[in-house]
Order: sequence, then structure tokens, then C-alpha cells
Amino acid sequence: GQNIDQPTEMTATEGAIVQINCTYQTSGFNGLFWYQQHAGEAPTFLSYNVLDGLEEKGRFSSFLSRSKGYSYLLLKELQMKDSASYLCALFRGYALNFGKGTSLLVTP
Amino acid sequence: GAVVSQHPSWVICKSGTSVKIECRSLDFQATTMFWYRQFPKQSLMLMATSNEGSKATYEQGVEKDKFLINHASLTLSTLTVTSAHPEDSSFYICSAYVRDRGENYGYTFGSGTRLTVV
Repeated sequence: GQNIDQPTEMTATEGAIVQINCTYQTSGFNGLFWYQQHAGEAPTFLSYNVLDGLEEKGRFSSFLSRSKGYSYLLLKELQMKDSASYLCALFRGYALNFGKGTSLLVTP
Repeated sequence: GAVVSQHPSWVICKSGTSVKIECRSLDFQATTMFWYRQFPKQSLMLMATSNEGSKATYEQGVEKDKFLINHASLTLSTLTVTSAHPEDSSFYICSAYVRDRGENYGYTFGSGTRLTVV
């Protein structure tokens, strides 16, 4: 199994920075995705990490450490619309295997 | 580009009836379609993988006789929930892998189907 773990819920203040962690146990994978999902909607792509290190895309950054078995998604300058679930998913050259997701609530 | 159209968006059916969900790739050929199920406040769980022109591959614990998948063409995959029961109420979503899909980096999702069995 891949045992992908994420915190269930997080709360942060508008304008702040929040880090959402994702840990996993797997023997190998091609890359790690981060998706945002609003309730009742399809996931939308945020980032994809293949190599160790930081990938930055505007307010969102994602980090991967294969040796330590974890990734994180960093959201800067939080906005109210960032309230959503954030899913990490492992890609092994086929289907995606998702973590349970982290529900983020951004408060004023 | 690379849009997957999923219908219906929501459906309510009586217990014991069957429901068909369709996913169409509008501007590309989807040789492989992935079907996920998502219960409230939980993540997407892969149910099965459909391949055009061949039998679907089901994940462990998913009843192939209950969740019928057909992928008869390169642009259409269907999931039929047979003899639906209230515990089948869930959010079903399909996904296709698209090569060189810059924005979505390979995967595009349907908009999902909210199934409620009463």
C-alpha cells in the first residue's frame, strides 16, 4: 500500500501562509500531484513534483523529499476563496492514488 | 482543450434501479479512463480503470458485476451502477490521462456525478 497521510482539517487567517503536509509510504512513484477541490466539484491541478525540491507557481509552492517520504503544499497570501480541500496524489505511471485530503478553512 | 464531459451532474434514483453515468472526451481520444468514487469528506478512491476495446480493471473490493464499465469507443466511457442501494450514494468522477497536457499535467477530470439512492 501507499499509506498517504494528510491532516484532516486546518484553519488559517486571510493573508497568512499555510503549509499542508503529505506523508507517504511507497516503494516508488513517478511524481506527486497536488489538487484543490471545492465541495461537489472536480479536482483542479495545482502542482506536480518529480524531483526533490521546491516548485513555485504564484501563490502556491510544493516541495518534495523522496528520501524523507513527504511533500508539502505552501499557500501564501491566503484568500477566502482558498477554502477548499487539498489532495496530494501519487502517480505511478497509471492512475492517481489520492490521500484523504486536507480541508482548509480560511477565516477573515 | 482536453475536456471530459460527464453526465448527469446529479441523479436521484430508487433503490434497486440502475443508473448510467457517461464520460465523453470532447477534443481528444481517451484510450484509458479512470473511475473514482468519493464519499463525503473523504478522498477520491479509484474504483476501476477502463480501456477502450477491452475489459475494465477493477480495484480490490469493487464489485465488477455491480459497477459495469463500458469503454466501447475512444471518446466514451460509461459506468452503470446496477441494483443501486442507499450505500452506493456517492460522488462519482471520471478522469482521463492526456499526454502533453501542460495546464493539467496529464490528467483531466469530469465534473462529477452526485448519485443519491433513496
